[in-house]
Amino acid sequence: DGGITQSPKYLFRKEGQNVTLSCEQNLNHDAMYWYRQDPGQGLRLIYYSQIVNDFQKGDIAEGYSVSREKKESFPLTVTSAQKNPTAFYLCASSTLPGQPPGANVLTFGAGSRLTVL
Amino acid sequence: EDQVTQSPEALRLQEGESSSLNCSYTVSGLRGLFWYRQDPGKGPEFLFTLYSAGEEKEKERLKATLTKKESFLHITAPKPEDSATYLCAGLSGSARQLTFGSGTQLTVLP
Repeated sequence: DGGITQSPKYLFRKEGQNVTLSCEQNLNHDAMYWYRQDPGQGLRLIYYSQIVNDFQKGDIAEGYSVSREKKESFPLTVTSAQKNPTAFYLCASSTLPGQPPGANVLTFGAGSRLTVL
Repeated sequence: EDQVTQSPEALRLQEGESSSLNCSYTVSGLRGLFWYRQDPGKGPEFLFTLYSAGEEKEKERLKATLTKKESFLHITAPKPEDSATYLCAGLSGSARQLTFGSGTQLTVLP
């Protein structure tokens, strides 16, 4: 079955460490996204990519970095510059905006929960 | 600035007790209003997309409607398995990305 795989499901980070969250999709989607979810808040966009080797900052990109070397993969690195990284991180993919069918409909992974020790 | 506000934050219903969730939006040139369901510890799952005022879509016990200022998710005779957080999101004509509300946590008691 096609879908999005995120790993690890749970991750713990010590102060000053960088950690990388994996996101792989086999849906043949061009666009991929990273969102952060905190209790009581809506999903906030960190980064997105519509094509290999290109990505754009979302609303809360500071302290995060991404790469898109393959269409299927969009890893997120949470750097030590992110001062409050404890959150639930969601990766998603979609067809390109405006492309039917299912334009702009996001398919999400199961999420990765990051906790700072 | 695009905004999406959901109410109530939490809703507890008895099994079979119908109700509605509200999603108010101020999104310039709305291109689509999306509803997702999210179970605890999991990623959201797509439910509906609404594109224009007056549009309605149904799926089992759920019906989504759209006006020029808000969307409603009506739940008819809910069952405990409908318990989840329901998220709505708006896509503006200018922005390339969705603006999400904070969700309504629905609990259906047997």
